Amino acid sequence: AQRVTQPEKLLSVFKGAPVELKCNYSYSGSPELFWYVQYSRQRLQLLLRHISRESIKGFTADLNKGETSFHLKKPFAQEEDSAMYYCALSGFIGGNEKLTFGTGTRLTIIP
Amino acid sequence: DAGVTQSPTHLIKTRGQQVTLRCSPKSGHDTVSWYQQALGQGPQFIFQYYEEEERQRGNFPDRFSGHQFPNYSSELNVNALLLGDSALYLCASSSPGLAGDDTQYFGPGTRLTVL
Repeated sequence: AQRVTQPEKLLSVFKGAPVELKCNYSYSGSPELFWYVQYSRQRLQLLLRHISRESIKGFTADLNKGETSFHLKKPFAQEEDSAMYYCALSGFIGGNEKLTFGTGTRLTIIP
Repeated sequence: DAGVTQSPTHLIKTRGQQVTLRCSPKSGHDTVSWYQQALGQGPQFIFQYYEEEERQRGNFPDRFSGHQFPNYSSELNVNALLLGDSALYLCASSSPGLAGDDTQYFGPGTRLTVL
């Protein structure tokens, strides 16, 4: 069975401070991991995926298979980072497969 | 390209009724996935359609059914509505053959309220 856990429902960080949103997963095979973001009044959109190894809007995430984690990090938070963040897992490499989402973390950046 | 579009935006039904939700995929996409997002939860996979057939299905009862048309648009039907079906229903489109971009793009959702 696939499971994604985001332990923090709410996270508040001061502008300029580092951000880390936690994500742990459970899956027996080799999954692909994603971070999706939803800004206020906007639709859910892909932020980054582990196979692309990109840094998007200053965010990075490293897949740690030993700890089954895929934490999202940014060294210096900006006010525009305030949003709802969802970690998601696909059982196959390739974003076209069904996604299993965590319950999300609402990130608020304090000016 | 307007991206993924869904209709209607909001819908109110009563228990026992039936509902149909619609989705038009992003231009160039041929695969449509449906998700249910209850309040305070992450999206939960319902099923996926490709080449007019149900390709994958999540843990949802048979009351949830779907269809994909030759133009790749899709419908989600829910019969015998229950109060617990109240949720935001999201549609996502993608294309397995689209080199370099097999990402799922989400629509704005349809908010279903069952009274």
